[in-house]
Amino acid sequence: DAGVTQSPTHLIKTRGQQVTLRCSPKSGHDTVSWYQQALGQGPQFIFQYYEEEERQRGNFPDRFSGHQFPNYSSELNVNALLLGDSALYLCASSLLYRENSPLHFGNGTRLTVT
Amino acid sequence: DQQVKQNSPSLSVQEGRISILNCDYTNSMFDYFLWYKKYPAEGPTFLISISSIKDKNEDGRFTVFLNKSAKHLSLHIVPSQPGDSAVYFCAAGSHGANNLFFGTGTRLTVIP
Repeated sequence: DAGVTQSPTHLIKTRGQQVTLRCSPKSGHDTVSWYQQALGQGPQFIFQYYEEEERQRGNFPDRFSGHQFPNYSSELNVNALLLGDSALYLCASSLLYRENSPLHFGNGTRLTVT
Repeated sequence: DQQVKQNSPSLSVQEGRISILNCDYTNSMFDYFLWYKKYPAEGPTFLISISSIKDKNEDGRFTVFLNKSAKHLSLHIVPSQPGDSAVYFCAAGSHGANNLFFGTGTRLTVIP
């Protein structure tokens, strides 16, 4: 049973550049959420996708955008990168309408902005 | 504003003893609470959850206690094993909402 997979595992970008991170959800899951985990902090919610639409968004600027494809996989795009965007980006999948369906996380993408 | 707080950044426990990890929250709308465990270079792994209609939930060596009046929950691990050494995150959410709020984590070290 394939779990949540994310690519790439590590990425180094320069300030002002754009980045795309990818996620495939756990088999059978229909919902993808993205979280940012800064060093020494807990994960912070960026947004969630279901049926190819953004359902909810956390307190992140419009530079952060996403997409969900018909096969439930998802992308996170960040434009005009800032040094403060350096973090571990976690993708999580779940079943939207299954009560108390816990999030299943991937291993994350470590983004370093220089 | 941190809505979920884990005030102990680290905890060391002898193998075989009980580990107690604590978590406080401020938002009374939270009605669903979870604990995740995280090893280095891996994503958080779901451990155990509890709904606000309960005050205790057990799963093997892991028990979560919820005190709604104090807005406090704790995770008990008995007996602790060296493989339990990891960072533990407390998380909270509301039914109908789609996001979880996480604490900053507690690093548990179980000493053989």
